[in-house]
Amino acid sequence: DIQMTQSPSSLSASVGDRVTITCRASESISIYLNWYQQKPGKPPKLLIYAASRLQSGVPSRFSGRGAGTDFTLTISNLQPEDFATYHCQQSYSNTRTFGQGTKLELK
Amino acid sequence: QVHLQESGPGLVKPSQTLSLICTVSGGSISGGTYSWTWIRQHPGKGLEWIGYTYSSGNTDHNPSLKSRVTISVDTSQNQFTLRLSSVTAADTAMYYCAREVKNYYDSSGYYARIIDQWGQGTPVTVSS
Repeated sequence: DIQMTQSPSSLSASVGDRVTITCRASESISIYLNWYQQKPGKPPKLLIYAASRLQSGVPSRFSGRGAGTDFTLTISNLQPEDFATYHCQQSYSNTRTFGQGTKLELK
Repeated sequence: QVHLQESGPGLVKPSQTLSLICTVSGGSISGGTYSWTWIRQHPGKGLEWIGYTYSSGNTDHNPSLKSRVTISVDTSQNQFTLRLSSVTAADTAMYYCAREVKNYYDSSGYYARIIDQWGQGTPVTVSS
């Protein structure tokens, strides 16, 4: 299986900050990398697909970069509604795998 | 807008079989380049992909769950089902059903495989 490693596992920030979450694949996954946001008690919601493409309706303060094995999700100008858990997921191999999640908390 | 809803017992005894149904409404489970997927989340943990079925009945599942997983589809009922046998406390989790779009092309021609619809999830506890 392709292992996905996210860092950090948790992150404290303030409204207005810029934060970056990293996701590393154990082998090349091209750009088959998606990012999901999950709020407590809710299912995940797709934010970014194909490593850098913003899903319709997602604010432009979210951005993704990367290809191969190294990927980042950046949130600029953090808003109160952005405090949530973020998951990366590879869809390159038939066995899909997720990172362990990054919990973004209000400082 | 497609809606997915999980149903099934919230409590399963160790060594028994966990059975969950996902009912799809607002659209047909047949056709399209979709896979109908099960994902779980252990308390306070990340997401684990369990497996999927196509409307044709072809399936695939996470090898880490070995042969305990059976995923099936009933197109007449617009439902798909997860069965997980020989459960232990390690199978206690929130279980989600979801729809994955296998061949998603955006307006710029980017290709992706995305999970675009999720059920609300159903908690399952394995305990005697």
